[in-house]
Amino acid sequence: AQSVTQPDIHITVSEGASLELRCNYSYGATPYLFWYVQSPGQGLQLLLKYFSGDTLVQGIKGFEAEFKRSQSSFNLRKPSVHWSDAAEYFCAVGPYSGGYQKVTFGTGTKLQVIP
Amino acid sequence: DAMVIQNPRYQVTQFGKPVTLSCSQTLNHNVMYWYQQKSSQAPKLLFHYYDKDFNNEADTPDNFQSRRPNTSFCFLDIRSPGLGDTAMYLCATSRDGRGGTGDTQYFGPGTRLTVL
Repeated sequence: AQSVTQPDIHITVSEGASLELRCNYSYGATPYLFWYVQSPGQGLQLLLKYFSGDTLVQGIKGFEAEFKRSQSSFNLRKPSVHWSDAAEYFCAVGPYSGGYQKVTFGTGTKLQVIP
Repeated sequence: DAMVIQNPRYQVTQFGKPVTLSCSQTLNHNVMYWYQQKSSQAPKLLFHYYDKDFNNEADTPDNFQSRRPNTSFCFLDIRSPGLGDTAMYLCATSRDGRGGTGDTQYFGPGTRLTVL
């Protein structure tokens, strides 16, 4: 069965500092990988996704993520955090091909940005 | 703009009183999903429709049902809400849930349901 682990429940960074959110996945074949962001009381917005090809993926709002098959990781990064980035971030994994695409979410990482 | 719309955004109901949540989409996607997200937890898939085909997750309580009268609309019915059903309910769509290359789920803003 597929699964996602986000080991950091809560992270605090200073505005302007760099950010890395960790995500490890378990999946038996080539996965689809996603990062979503959720502001308080809102739905999930897609930041970026990886299906195949270049392992460094660029997303919206200046975010990027790197797929590392050997480490089963898909960490999210941003070089300089803005106060508006404070939100909860969810990593998710889905099957690459065939069958019904059931996406499994991690438990999320809450990001706090301090001045 | 094409989007996923959920109504109402906030719903309060009484224990045992049936409630219906609505989702509509202008993306013309084949697949519509309903997720339940409790406070500080990951979204949990309840069921999905591929076109008119209904697919229930094995651990979704019988209390939760869904209808999809046409491509654009999907409803979540909770027949007898319990206190434990207080949660955010998220609707999502995808073009083709069968794992086609580039498939992505797009989420609505959610309905926050409170059962008193």
